[in-house]
Amino acid sequence: DQQVKQNSPSLSVQEGRISILNCDYTNSMFDYFLWYKKYPAEGPTFLISISSIKDKNEDGRFTVFLNKSAKHLSLHIVPSQPGDSAVYFCAASGIFNFNKFYFGSGTKLNVKP
Amino acid sequence: DTEVTQTPKHLVMGMTNKKSLKCEQHMGHRAMYWYKQKAKKPPELMFVYSYEKLSINESVPSRFSPECPNSSLLNLHLHALQPEDSALYLCASSPGQGISYEQYFGPGTRLTVT
Repeated sequence: DQQVKQNSPSLSVQEGRISILNCDYTNSMFDYFLWYKKYPAEGPTFLISISSIKDKNEDGRFTVFLNKSAKHLSLHIVPSQPGDSAVYFCAASGIFNFNKFYFGSGTKLNVKP
Repeated sequence: DTEVTQTPKHLVMGMTNKKSLKCEQHMGHRAMYWYKQKAKKPPELMFVYSYEKLSINESVPSRFSPECPNSSLLNLHLHALQPEDSALYLCASSPGQGISYEQYFGPGTRLTVT
């Protein structure tokens, strides 16, 4: 039973435009959400996080939005750059099981020059 | 030092071999993790050590044996593996419960079982 879902396996965007990556979850007990970026043959790199008490968190070109009522979060990258091309995983966790992350299946982003 | 290191980068082993994967962090993190990742899949949690004690074992077969000698080191001992155990093995660390959730991953060990 997958509690975190990324329904788009891939996304292609032109350089300079906005990339929007989506993630849905089913467990209302999740209270912390994270995005990781992964290049081939490397470990995932932490990108940005958001706690359930917020609905938006911004860090440079990256913004994460959380809609708790819809159990949906999204990652916006503006402007997109070719170096952003990677697989993006969203992950969720909760105080009920602090150390366990539930990962989505990933979205492969391709930013075209 | 803000990174998690893993050795070796690549490992090829036969089904009768015994080998170990090593992970090290010097960020003062008190939780360390082993994950397994197959191609085009998300990382799957295997083990969690919190304050050097095993706190989560995700029903991993006994041919995988974790060890946490101290707060900076995490090992994964491998014995009698199967070809389907071939995967990228990732180590991660986090500051610890009640401090912050973010986990920081190492580059992984690419394991091939022949």
